[in-house]
Amino acid sequence: AQSVTQLGSHVSVSEGALVLLRCNYSSSVPPYLFWYVQYPNQGLQLLLKYTTGATLVKGINGFEAEFKKSETSFHLTKPSAHMSDAAEYFCAVSPASGGSYIPTFGRGTSLIVHP
Amino acid sequence: KAGVTQTPRYLIKTRGQQVTLSCSPISGHRSVSWYQQTPGQGLQFLFEYFSETQRNKGNFPGRFSGRQFSNSRSEMNVSTLELGDSALYLCASSLGGGGSYEQYFGPGTRLTVT
Repeated sequence: AQSVTQLGSHVSVSEGALVLLRCNYSSSVPPYLFWYVQYPNQGLQLLLKYTTGATLVKGINGFEAEFKKSETSFHLTKPSAHMSDAAEYFCAVSPASGGSYIPTFGRGTSLIVHP
Repeated sequence: KAGVTQTPRYLIKTRGQQVTLSCSPISGHRSVSWYQQTPGQGLQFLFEYFSETQRNKGNFPGRFSGRQFSNSRSEMNVSTLELGDSALYLCASSLGGGGSYEQYFGPGTRLTVT
């Protein structure tokens, strides 16, 4: 069984400030981890993913995330927020072994960027 | 490469009717998954098809069904619509084969049941 918890349904930052979106997971087997972004009236778009190897993963649009096994976390960060980053962000986890590999998504975090 | 396309984009139906939604995956992708997205429940997995076979199924009633054609295009059908079926239905395709493959999502079909 696996689950994903995204702390904070809304996160508000000022333009130029650090963005930190939190994601914690629970999985009975080592997971693959993903961050997706959804803009209004659009589907989800992959930002980055962790499968194996380096635990600090860089994605598109200046985002990065670090896999911390001991903390079961995969937080998403960006050094400087842009207005265009305002969107809904989803963390997802898939088991790296075992039966179903269908990803489980978190409830999402809405990022609000103030000028 | 063209992305995942979904038709129609918007749909209004009446309770008791049925509806069919269509999804065309990215060329070469053999796995197609369907999700229901609502403000209250978030993203919920409906089912996944791979090479015309349903490979995984979520916890939805039998009113929700789907199929996949030999060209990997997929359709989902909802019969006897209920007000609670109002949602954004998202289709996602992937190369398939395992959980390390990311999913590519279409823009969704917004279904409103009145």
